[in-house]
Amino acid sequence: QKEVEQDPGPLSVPEGAIVSLNCTYSNSAFQYFMWYRQYSRKGPELLMYTYSSGNKEDGRFTAQVDKSSKYISLFIRDSQPSDSATYLCAMTDTGGFKTIFGAGTRLFVKA
Amino acid sequence: SAVISQKPSRDICQRGTSLTIQCQVDSQVTMMFWYRQQPGQSLTLIATANQGSEATYESGFVIDKFPISRPNLTFSTLTVSNMSPEDSSIYLCSVSAGPRGELFFGEGSRLTVL
Repeated sequence: QKEVEQDPGPLSVPEGAIVSLNCTYSNSAFQYFMWYRQYSRKGPELLMYTYSSGNKEDGRFTAQVDKSSKYISLFIRDSQPSDSATYLCAMTDTGGFKTIFGAGTRLFVKA
Repeated sequence: SAVISQKPSRDICQRGTSLTIQCQVDSQVTMMFWYRQQPGQSLTLIATANQGSEATYESGFVIDKFPISRPNLTFSTLTVSNMSPEDSSIYLCSVSAGPRGELFFGEGSRLTVL
């Protein structure tokens, strides 16, 4: 079993839709949770960073963490074609020295 | 945050040759990381490079195949030695530079081995 599971997609949605991206994990030592966005032929860029269970909002993006279920989500409201990218979840333990990445979900937002 | 420059951005190489990838950071950082991202797959950590010490390699990666240098706090190189087509991948340099140790990435070096 992988430490982090993420559906690779692809996920195709119409412009304006609400997108839900999810990851599950098995290691309860993970304490810090991140979402990265990676455009084609580019390096990953940090999108959201969360620590505690609950929701964190930044513009059209909301990151949700449920430590009891070992489940994290990223919601994108009013999705735009420019949101088309691969989204990778990532997490680290309390030491913070090693980050584990999910497989990434490819998202296509159609105009 | 940190700005990371990688060279080359892409290269096509012949089997059996070696290629060195350079990573330059715009600020001094303690820890630098090298990742591999194979087509359609996630990021796999190759090694952690700290200045002044030997790199620490993850399971499945060895120094003879992926020698790393870290001469100072802003620069590192990764060499892919004796390449085979299985080494075709994107190689990413990363640093831990945020207030909470977040990772920042370079643009990646896309390597194709024929």
